[in-house]
Amino acid sequence: EAQVTQNPRYLITVTGKKLTVTCSQNMNHEYMSWYRQDPGLGLRQIYYSMNVEVTDKGDVPEGYKVSRKEKRNFPLILESPSPNQTSLYFCASSLSLGPGEKLFFGSGTQLSVL
Amino acid sequence: GENVEQHPSTLSVQEGDSAVIKCTYSDSASNYFPWYKQELGKGPQLIIDIRSNVGEKKDQRIAVTLNKTAKHFSLHITETQPEDSAVYFCAASLSGNTPLVFGKGTRLSVIA
Repeated sequence: EAQVTQNPRYLITVTGKKLTVTCSQNMNHEYMSWYRQDPGLGLRQIYYSMNVEVTDKGDVPEGYKVSRKEKRNFPLILESPSPNQTSLYFCASSLSLGPGEKLFFGSGTQLSVL
Repeated sequence: GENVEQHPSTLSVQEGDSAVIKCTYSDSASNYFPWYKQELGKGPQLIIDIRSNVGEKKDQRIAVTLNKTAKHFSLHITETQPEDSAVYFCAASLSGNTPLVFGKGTRLSVIA
């Protein structure tokens, strides 16, 4: 089944403890992206990648890192999480970056930073 | 860059009535306008999209209209059903390698 898989689904952590949220897609998509969803703010893009070893900042990249060493994986890294990074995170992928390309979203990761 | 405004933020309708969600965009060069539906506990899913060379597109009970002159586009859902209850996001993108810009979302509640 074609899908974007995120793990974990729920995560509670403490300020400053490094964490990684994994994202994997099985559709051979070139484009992958991370979003955070907050009440009243909608979906805001954190980072995106147009292909292996190519990553770009989105609208809210501060406090996050990403890497794209393989086509299928695009992990999101929080080196020193803070409470303002408590949010619902989504990974998404599409065949390429361009108008008309359907974005496939994962099921989300609810992160709480205490 | 592109900015997408979406209204209303919440919408309640009686089952069987129609629902309309409106979005405006800022960059006249934007040429692709998708709508995503997010059900509770899930990621958003594409439900319909429209390109700038088309004024209207329909798929069963949902339709999208685009007014390029006014730079706004709308989602219309007719004969609403409880399963239409969800958060809906509009988005816009320019041609070339530019990511989608999403609106802030509309929470639609269909009351039985």
